[in-house]
Amino acid sequence: DGGITQSPKYLFRKEGQNVTLSCEQNLNHDAMYWYRQDPGQGLRLIYYSQIVNDFQKGDIAEGYSVSREKKESFPLTVTSAQKNPTAFYLCASSQGLAGGLDTQYFGPGTRLTVL
Amino acid sequence: SQQGEEDPQALSIQEGENATMNCSYKTSINNLQWYRQNSGRGLVHLILIRSNEREKHSGRLRVTLDTSKKSSSLLITASRAADTASYFCATDAPITNAGKSTFGDGTTLTVKP
Repeated sequence: DGGITQSPKYLFRKEGQNVTLSCEQNLNHDAMYWYRQDPGQGLRLIYYSQIVNDFQKGDIAEGYSVSREKKESFPLTVTSAQKNPTAFYLCASSQGLAGGLDTQYFGPGTRLTVL
Repeated sequence: SQQGEEDPQALSIQEGENATMNCSYKTSINNLQWYRQNSGRGLVHLILIRSNEREKHSGRLRVTLDTSKKSSSLLITASRAADTASYFCATDAPITNAGKSTFGDGTTLTVKP
């Protein structure tokens, strides 16, 4: 999992609550990403950030929010507006190279369960 | 919709056999990457193949790319039980969406000892 950490590993949330997932990297990477993975499926991009203080919506941003105040941190908030938040959440970072040469480094993931 | 689609969805083989997984994509790409995910863990990068390359090797891994067919294959030779994992292809986004990669749904490989 390299120099990228996610916490907590497991998170339980009651319906109607907002929760924040932490993602920190010490790789000096410019770009960071949040993905959602449902059982037996691939990764779907929630938000990504290519530089501090800037981020863009991915394919499934509704019900989620992010911030990028520091280069090494990219927290994800799952809001009560997200109707089906139970999933495995993966954070990744990369150098932000152009031309498709970017390799992403992934954290160990946070498994969120809504009770 | 997903850019890359892996085939088969699941593959079960005996230790020592070769495993082949395929990835098809829809639009032109600059590069294609393969990642591995052990159950309940993050993804680990395996190999990158550029659009002007046809084949690339890394240890027991062999990746091919056919841009005319918009497809790639990952071959794992002499498989081991430790190769049991899910394997994903990822394609870079068109230039207008620089910085994004799109992942397929993956192939789940089980290697029986």
